[in-house]
Amino acid sequence: NAGVTQTPKFQVLKTGQSMTLQCAQDMNHEYMSWYRQDPGMGLRLIHYSVGAGITDQGEVPNGYNVSRSTTEDFPLRLLSAAPSQTSVYFCASSKQGGTEAFFGQGTRLTVV
Amino acid sequence: GNSVTQMEGPVTLSEEAFLTINCTYTATGYPSLFWYVQYPGEGLQLLLKATKADDKGSNKGFEATYRKETTSFHLEKGSVQVSDSAVYFCALGVNTGNQFYFGTGTSLTVIP
Repeated sequence: NAGVTQTPKFQVLKTGQSMTLQCAQDMNHEYMSWYRQDPGMGLRLIHYSVGAGITDQGEVPNGYNVSRSTTEDFPLRLLSAAPSQTSVYFCASSKQGGTEAFFGQGTRLTVV
Repeated sequence: GNSVTQMEGPVTLSEEAFLTINCTYTATGYPSLFWYVQYPGEGLQLLLKATKADDKGSNKGFEATYRKETTSFHLEKGSVQVSDSAVYFCALGVNTGNQFYFGTGTSLTVIP
């Protein structure tokens, strides 16, 4: 049971570099989302997708891009990393209907 | 709109003490309510859930009752253990767009 798999687990970037955080799920869930977790702020929604080919912005989308070409994959792209994007990023998936979300193990990103 | 407010931490308890973590919410429509737990260095795991008013979710000795009249979903455990030390997140899920809204998290430390 793989569930939701995120890679990498840790990453250090220099300001201005780009990178892609990978997320894959094997539960055939329609809904996938990306959150960032910062101290004292809980989890904030970055982008989400309700199905292949459909994405939308969440609470804090600036500086991030997403695409959903398949049901299984939902990568998050940082085009030009900034220190303010230092955070822990979580990918989650769920079935339609407001049932529980399943989370990956997280990616700890540091931008220097 | 939709939002979750939960008790600020950190909370430190002695083993076998009683635990309450308060959570209140505002929501449009009829949300499902969740408690997630995050152990150090890990992703979020579903602890319990309730999908309609007066439902009680329970798991591993933890309980929470969906109170529509007070818009609350307080987490309780009668006797905490050292292994319960973690960060606890209250969350609500809404059917429309399958979005989830999280509280800021409450850190619990249980000392022997």
